Amino acid sequence: NAGVMQNPRHLVRRRGQEARLRCSPMKGHSHVYWYRQLPEEGLKFMVYLQKENIIDESGMPKERFSAEFPKEGPSILRIQQVVRGDSAAYFCASSPRQGPALTQYFGPGTRLTVL
Amino acid sequence: GIQVEQSPPDLILQEGANSTLRCNFSDSVNNLQWFHQNPWGQLINLFYIPSGTKQNGRLSATTVATERYSLLYISSSQTTDSGVYFCAVELSWSDGQNFVFGPGTRLSVLP
Repeated sequence: NAGVMQNPRHLVRRRGQEARLRCSPMKGHSHVYWYRQLPEEGLKFMVYLQKENIIDESGMPKERFSAEFPKEGPSILRIQQVVRGDSAAYFCASSPRQGPALTQYFGPGTRLTVL
Repeated sequence: GIQVEQSPPDLILQEGANSTLRCNFSDSVNNLQWFHQNPWGQLINLFYIPSGTKQNGRLSATTVATERYSLLYISSSQTTDSGVYFCAVELSWSDGQNFVFGPGTRLSVLP
């Protein structure tokens, strides 16, 4: 059973370009979470999605960032017009359903570097 | 919002030594997990431990939910234990079910 997959593992963008990060949850998991880790810091929650629904986006910057989890295919975190401050590791995690006390399983992360 | 603190922030050990890492949190939580982030950045689940004690090889963890802390014990440390150890707490699931991470303890195990 494959774990949470993220691609690309490393992404380099110039300022002003768009970054698209993909996350395929574990088989059977329908809930996805995105977290951002700035250098030398802990992870910060960004957004929680269920298939075709955004459940909680309280940690998402209001501008330039968007996320989706379509009925088919991976979850996408999209960053438009990237700036140097967007350079970070972006992790996604998945869980099988909504409910209390469920383990989240993390992917290997995408390291975004903005030049 | 909930505050999660970890101590110590940095720890240097000689191989073979034991250590205790602490995580304090400011409110009731539904879930607590310990993670190890290795030097390559990969996050590894160590324990899902909302309460009680669990052991896995040289690692064990104890959470005392009523007193809002958790401890991670590493015995007979090895150089491969180096990295950052995070605790993460899950708030009430009706509030979005996301994890709040502590700032981490950076562990260096020297040969």
